[in-house]
Amino acid sequence: KAGVTQTPRYLIKTRGQQVTLSCSPISGHRSVSWYQQTPGQGLQFLFEYFSETQRNKGNFPGRFSGRQFSNSRSEMNVSTLELGDSALYLCASSFRDSFFYEQYFGPGTRLTVT
Amino acid sequence: AQRVTQPEKLLSVFKGAPVELKCNYSYSGSPELFWYVQYSRQRLQLLLRHISRESIKGFTADLNKGETSFHLKKPFAQEEDSAMYYCALSSDRGSTLGRLYFGRGTQLTVWP
Repeated sequence: KAGVTQTPRYLIKTRGQQVTLSCSPISGHRSVSWYQQTPGQGLQFLFEYFSETQRNKGNFPGRFSGRQFSNSRSEMNVSTLELGDSALYLCASSFRDSFFYEQYFGPGTRLTVT
Repeated sequence: AQRVTQPEKLLSVFKGAPVELKCNYSYSGSPELFWYVQYSRQRLQLLLRHISRESIKGFTADLNKGETSFHLKKPFAQEEDSAMYYCALSSDRGSTLGRLYFGRGTQLTVWP
């Protein structure tokens, strides 16, 4: 099976702009989670989607949003970008609907905000 | 509040030496704990989880609820073990809600 794919892999944006990142889970996986990884804060949970519904959200401002489509593909959007949003954004998928089970991670999207 | 602490940012050992990567957690319920690993230029992947009680690539980890620890151990380190290791805690214990809390990671280097 193909692994989790994320597009684009690298992105440079300017402060104030918005950005959309995409994640395609492993075929058959219905749970998609997003994480932000920075040197200062490490890996932090953004949100999780299961069957097109956001079930859980981390402590991030409302500028961070996401959605999941019927084919389980997911997108996350960050509006009004700030310099502090520069990070590696990881997507993970899982076959089961619980974090008790293995999460399969994508390669990440490196976002740089200038 | 849930928290996962990995006290060592960097850890270096020689090939064949024992290695222990420390992980401490704080969680009010019964946690599910994991070790994830990221080899150079590869994706983050699951190494092992405590519920499975298995040994993967010679690594084992024991959950010590009294000390709230989940240290990762290997008796004889190999050069290919060099990687970033993350301890993670799942807060949902099989329910439909939850998340993974990650430690900051420990970069293990095994010298020849």
